[in-house]
Amino acid sequence: GAGVSQSPRYKVAKRGQDVALRCDPISGHVSLFWYQQALGQGPEFLTYFQNEAQLDKSGLPSDRFFAERPEGSVSTLKIQRTQQEDSAVYLCASSPLGGLNYNEQFFGPGTRLTVL
Amino acid sequence: AQKITQTQPGMFVQEKEAVTLDCTYDTSDPSYGLFWYKQPSSGEMIFLIYQGSYDQQNATEGRYSLNFQKARKSANLVISASQLGDSAMYFCAMRENSGNTPLVFGKGTRLSVIA
Repeated sequence: GAGVSQSPRYKVAKRGQDVALRCDPISGHVSLFWYQQALGQGPEFLTYFQNEAQLDKSGLPSDRFFAERPEGSVSTLKIQRTQQEDSAVYLCASSPLGGLNYNEQFFGPGTRLTVL
Repeated sequence: AQKITQTQPGMFVQEKEAVTLDCTYDTSDPSYGLFWYKQPSSGEMIFLIYQGSYDQQNATEGRYSLNFQKARKSANLVISASQLGDSAMYFCAMRENSGNTPLVFGKGTRLSVIA
């Protein structure tokens, strides 16, 4: 497909489990963003990659959250020892140029994580 | 301090009527961008319209227009001729250009279009 894809679409984890969420950006897009969207809230920035470099991770809520994009395309957001407050929709977005100042971000459908 | 405020948790509009979704923002950066996104029940965020802080004219994209009032720090979205498919969550967002900051979103407004 031509858009951003994310997998899995839904994930249920027991508290304490580790999870890995995958994002496939649009081919050739330089920038990749992760957002966390809690129920009834707007998305909140987690981290940003330009190619394989993680340029901003200021939004990651704790050291249990880790993201990587080793080859500058697919990205994985990993959450270790999940807690109930991690339950949210995790959105991935990509844009064709580098820099946070580029206007248009293309969003994926998100992964809904529920921690029991 | 909240940077984006959307005061309408929910709005109803009759099909074919126009509706205005409110958004106010707070920034001391003279250069910034304002965005509106639509989020249907499928979950993905769909970009609708963009307004730069230095743009002289209000942005328009088809049935969407942005009523930008810089002195009031408001960036309301106007949807004309509402359609049933417009029912969704709508988010206002801002990016401050200095310091390379990410998008900051408001809490959203749920729009329901009634036949």
